[in-house]
Amino acid sequence: QKEVEQDPGPLSVPEGAIVSLNCTYSNSAFQYFMWYRQYSRKGPELLMYTYSSGNKEDGRFTAQVDKSSKYISLFIRDSQPSDSATYLCAMSYTGGFKTIFGAGTRLFVKA
Amino acid sequence: DSGVTQTPKHLITATGQRVTLRCSPRSGDLSVYWYQQSLDQGLQFLIQYYNGEERAKGNILERFSAQQFPDLHSELNLSSLELGDSALYFCASSVESQGSRFFGPGTRLTVL
Repeated sequence: QKEVEQDPGPLSVPEGAIVSLNCTYSNSAFQYFMWYRQYSRKGPELLMYTYSSGNKEDGRFTAQVDKSSKYISLFIRDSQPSDSATYLCAMSYTGGFKTIFGAGTRLFVKA
Repeated sequence: DSGVTQTPKHLITATGQRVTLRCSPRSGDLSVYWYQQSLDQGLQFLIQYYNGEERAKGNILERFSAQQFPDLHSELNLSSLELGDSALYFCASSVESQGSRFFGPGTRLTVL
């Protein structure tokens, strides 16, 4: 079993839809949780960064961490075609040793 | 622009050769992380350095090595290259060791 599980998709939604992306993990030692967006052949871009449990909002993006369920989510409101990319969840241990990434979910937002 | 720079952007070489990839972290960042991204393996953590010292190791082959210099730039050395080493190699940096916050644009390595 992988430490971090993420559905690779692809996920296709119409413009303006609310997108929900999710990851589950197995190791309760993870304390830092991140979401990245990666366009084709580019480096991942950090979207959201949270420590421990709770919600964090930044513009159209909301990240949720539920440590009791070992489940994290990223919501994208009013999705745009420019949001079409691969979204990677990632997490690291207390003390920050090595970051483990999910496989990434490919998102397509249709105009 | 994340502030992390990587050179070269592209590298084409032959099996059995050795290459060096270079990374300059964001100003003020002490941690450098190296990753390999291939189609079948996804983004794989290789190694982390913090202020010149090795902090964590991931799935890094013995043919690969890295170091972080006093000016905090880092180099990843890949030797005895095989076809399967063809991939994107990313460097990331952060202030402390709380995770890979900022990624560089990557080096695309093609081994022929």
